[in-house]
Amino acid sequence: DTEVTQTPKHLVMGMTNKKSLKCEQHMGHRAMYWYKQKAKKPPELMFVYSYEKLSINESVPSRFSPECPNSSLLNLHLHALQPEDSALYLCASSQWGLAGARRDEQYFGPGTRLTVT
Amino acid sequence: DQQVKQNSPSLSVQEGRISILNCDYTNSMFDYFLWYKKYPAEGPTFLISISSIKDKNEDGRFTVFLNKSAKHLSLHIVPSQPGDSAVYFCAASVTGGGSNYKLTFGKGTLLTVNP
Repeated sequence: DTEVTQTPKHLVMGMTNKKSLKCEQHMGHRAMYWYKQKAKKPPELMFVYSYEKLSINESVPSRFSPECPNSSLLNLHLHALQPEDSALYLCASSQWGLAGARRDEQYFGPGTRLTVT
Repeated sequence: DQQVKQNSPSLSVQEGRISILNCDYTNSMFDYFLWYKKYPAEGPTFLISISSIKDKNEDGRFTVFLNKSAKHLSLHIVPSQPGDSAVYFCAASVTGGGSNYKLTFGKGTLLTVNP
């Protein structure tokens, strides 16, 4: 199974709402990532979790709050977002810490299309 | 400052012919290069990669060539098939220093293969 799943596929939320994005993988990968992708732009890294601990936060505003409940699941909690946060949010996973395994060969999910109104 | 550049936003080729997608980079620290393919409404899919110690890597119909002195790489698809129509992202990373999780992407090239 080389699949990364994400729910929901689409999400529309108001600026005062609280919502969560979910991501799941069953490849045994110990690193999981959140990316943001705006139209006609490449994906931008937001967060990296390795062994269920937050390793990297790419200076993301606190209205985005990641959570990794276990090695297969990754959540992104959203609160008080702005319209400019509307984008495709991608989750990815990779190996981490295994000899010969590369962290940059990442498997991506289909993304959640988020619209903030 | 764009460290990975894909200067052709789009490319159109006939089925059965060769598709050549180009990528340039400016950061000489990059030592691993990857190509990802993305269909609409799907996430990017890892396609092929090359280490800077090589100048060519081949996987079936896909070959990536690396010219380190020119800081240029290209992806060749032969023969091209309509199912290859997608956006292709070039990406680069630095192996050392523990930061090889960090992919720097180009803006992508939309490949259309016409039947």
